[in-house]
Amino acid sequence: GQQLNQSPQSMFIQEGEDVSMNCTSSSIFNTWLWYKQDPGEGPVLLIALYKAGELTSNGRLTAQFGITRKDSFLNISASIPSDVGIYFCAGQSGTASKLTFGTGTRLQVTL
Amino acid sequence: DVKVTQSSRYLVKRTGEKVFLECVQDMDHENMFWYRQDPGLGLRLIYFSYDVKMKEKGDIPEGYSVSREKKERFSLILESASTNQTSMYLCAIQSGSRYEQYFGPGTRLTVT
Repeated sequence: GQQLNQSPQSMFIQEGEDVSMNCTSSSIFNTWLWYKQDPGEGPVLLIALYKAGELTSNGRLTAQFGITRKDSFLNISASIPSDVGIYFCAGQSGTASKLTFGTGTRLQVTL
Repeated sequence: DVKVTQSSRYLVKRTGEKVFLECVQDMDHENMFWYRQDPGLGLRLIYFSYDVKMKEKGDIPEGYSVSREKKERFSLILESASTNQTSMYLCAIQSGSRYEQYFGPGTRLTVT
């Protein structure tokens, strides 16, 4: 199956820095979702986006639904050690319930 | 809070054994999904179900079957486990009206 392209693949940042990552597709999506996965655990939903151009926040996290509907962005402000993990995007298109997942961005935070 | 539970966190089975992985939800959601997750390959959909006794193949159904006899329970069955089925297995649920999926904690299966 198709996978979405996530960038960057991995990031090493210092505590307190802001983080940006994105997800791109060659197809249009109607819904974009962002998940975080801790080692050995299942992904946890962070933010859901439903409209092109939509900007949604969840605490220090902000995500945007790209206006072309082919991309989405996640920003984390003032990173802390517990932000460590893998961040996945997921998109939904048409009327299908299935999601297409990104390849993941691994975030590591140094003190 | 959405609650999705999986029967085991860690499982070790021998080649050729029949393996049952169970997923239970408490949200009365219609849709349930089974994925496997492998390094470098991401999340791959094995099977999903829209309702009781209904199932649809995902991207990699070979070697697996599923059962959904009750709405809250979705089982993944490995008829004859093989070493290439060593993986992290994740169950997810989804309301019929929204596209967000909520995942269980995962089962790390090792087939020796």
